[in-house]
Parts: sequence; structure tokens; C-alpha cells
Amino acid sequence: EAGVVQSPRYKIIEKKQPVAFWCNPISGHNTLYWYLQNLGQGPELLIRYENEEAVDDSQLPKDRFSAERLKGVDSTLKIQPAELGDSAVYLCASSAGTGETDTQYFGPGTRLTVL
Amino acid sequence: AQSVTQLGSHVSVSEGALVLLRCNYSSSVPPYLFWYVQYPNQGLQLLLKYTSAATLVKGINGFEAEFKKSETSFHLTKPSAHMSDAAEYFCAVSDSGYSTLTFGKGTMLLVSP
Repeated sequence: EAGVVQSPRYKIIEKKQPVAFWCNPISGHNTLYWYLQNLGQGPELLIRYENEEAVDDSQLPKDRFSAERLKGVDSTLKIQPAELGDSAVYLCASSAGTGETDTQYFGPGTRLTVL
Repeated sequence: AQSVTQLGSHVSVSEGALVLLRCNYSSSVPPYLFWYVQYPNQGLQLLLKYTSAATLVKGINGFEAEFKKSETSFHLTKPSAHMSDAAEYFCAVSDSGYSTLTFGKGTMLLVSP
């Protein structure tokens, strides 16, 4: 079974430029998460999707961040414009959404460097 | 609100020695607790999870953790460290099996020969 796929793995951009990250969850997983992991910190949730619906986006900085999950499968996270402080690892995770036995499976992440 | 505290940003052990990584949590409801491991440049991999069943949870790679409600702890242990255990370990809490995880800051495990 293929795991969570993310691309690109690494991205270097100049500040004020736009950037987008892509995530393909495990097949059949209804729930998709985007996490932000700063250096030396644990992941922090940005947004959670149940199928196509964003059910928790309270921590997403909506002035510059946006996300979409068309057709309830793949998802894209966008930053426009990027700031120096956005340098971090962006992790995507998915789960089957089966209740108490649910487990989140993480992708390898996209490491963003903003210069 | 939930929170997780991991004591010690770095833990060093010798190969073959006991591994003990500490995690304390705060939760207003019965928690679900998780340990994840992250190898360099990789995503997080689930080691084990507690979901209100047995308090002693066994995971992959010989790790186990014990849920102690009175101490609000969920420490991770392994009897004998292996070089391949060197990685960063994250403790996480949620208020149900399928809700958002709140992670600790992580503990880097260093294993010396």
C-alpha cells in the first residue's frame, strides 16, 4: 500500500513569492491534515479536511495561506506571499476516519526555505 | 485545551541500555495518547497508541508505554537501545481517536556504541 505522497520534497523561494505544496493521501482515506513543523518543535495543525470539507481551519493564517481538497482526494496548500518566518516543514497526513481506532499516517513533508 | 510536555529535548544512551522518554499530558477529558518517531528527512511514524484499553501498550520495534492517570504520564520505554533507534520522538494527545493531535516538542534520542 502506498503511503502519503507529498511534493515537492524541498522548495527554496524568495520572500514575497508564492508557493504551493501538493499532497496525495492514502487511497480511501477520507480525512486529510496539513501540519506545520518548525525547527525543534512538534507539528501543529493548520487545517483538517473531512472529504472536501474543511472542518478545522482555525489555525490557518488566512491572510496568506489557502488550501483546497478538490474531489475529496488530493490537496494543495498555498502561501502567497511567502515570508521569512514561513520557513519550516509542511507535513500532510491522512486517516481513514473510522473513529476510535483511527491512525494518522504522515507523508515525508515539504521543507520550505524562504530567502 | 490539551497539552503535552516532553521532559528533555535530548536523551543520550549507550547501545544496549534502557531507553526512557518522558511525556506528561494535560487533558480535560479522557485522553488518547500517541508516540511517533521521526527519522531525519522523513515523516512521522506511529510507534504506539493508547485508546482507553490496556494501560500498558506495546508498539513496534520493541517499544512500550504505560498510561498512568494519577501521574498524567505516558512514558516511552525500551529495554535495550539499538543504534537504529536514534531519531526524534514525539508524544501527542487527542480527545478522541479521530480528532486533531496536539504534539509535544519532541525528544531527540542519541545512541552511542
